[in-house]
Amino acid sequence: GAVVSQHPSWVICKSGTSVKIECRSLDFQATTMFWYRQFPKQSLMLMATSNEGSKATYEQGVEKDKFLINHASLTLSTLTVTSAHPEDSSFYICSAREGGYTEAFFGQGTRLTVV
Amino acid sequence: DQQVKQNSPSLSVQEGRISILNCDYTNSMFDYFLWYKKYPAEGPTFLISISSIKDKNEDGRFTVFLNKSAKHLSLHIVPSQPGDSAVYFCAASALRTSYDKVIFGPGTSLSVIP
Repeated sequence: GAVVSQHPSWVICKSGTSVKIECRSLDFQATTMFWYRQFPKQSLMLMATSNEGSKATYEQGVEKDKFLINHASLTLSTLTVTSAHPEDSSFYICSAREGGYTEAFFGQGTRLTVV
Repeated sequence: DQQVKQNSPSLSVQEGRISILNCDYTNSMFDYFLWYKKYPAEGPTFLISISSIKDKNEDGRFTVFLNKSAKHLSLHIVPSQPGDSAVYFCAASALRTSYDKVIFGPGTSLSVIP
């Protein structure tokens, strides 16, 4: 299958700082990228959907000013957690889908810990 | 409101037997369904998918069945192997509409006992 690379795989940051997570499609052009969050022993919760060159569409309850998503190219999307707090600690996963294809391929995930 | 449901949080199966994982959905606009396998602290891995125009899709040991009238699908793994032990997520999408999202169920943790 297609490869989606997510970086970093884990990060620890201080409360109040910002953290950027990158998601890259390595061997295909991702017209659509998704960002998910997973709490322990729970399902993947969709945070937002982004299409290249346009603003992300956020799910209800997700603060767009806190979780900044940029999908500047067909191979790169970034999620920036601004002014992070301990409750933002979670596992964040991106996925990407190529236009005309229907499977969404996932990155490895990023474990964020805010202390 | 949960649009994709997996009512069994866990399942244990003997090695060599069949594993059947079930999934129900409520949104009739969903027309494409996917199964993913996930290990802890890793991203989900795509397993198999099915379009709503089909009722069965098979890939090696994995077969997905779709019953549109019942809004139900199932993943069959046969024969089950210990390496199949993981959390399995059912996901749904509505490709014919502008609902360009992949919505996941809560997952079923499968344990294959040697």
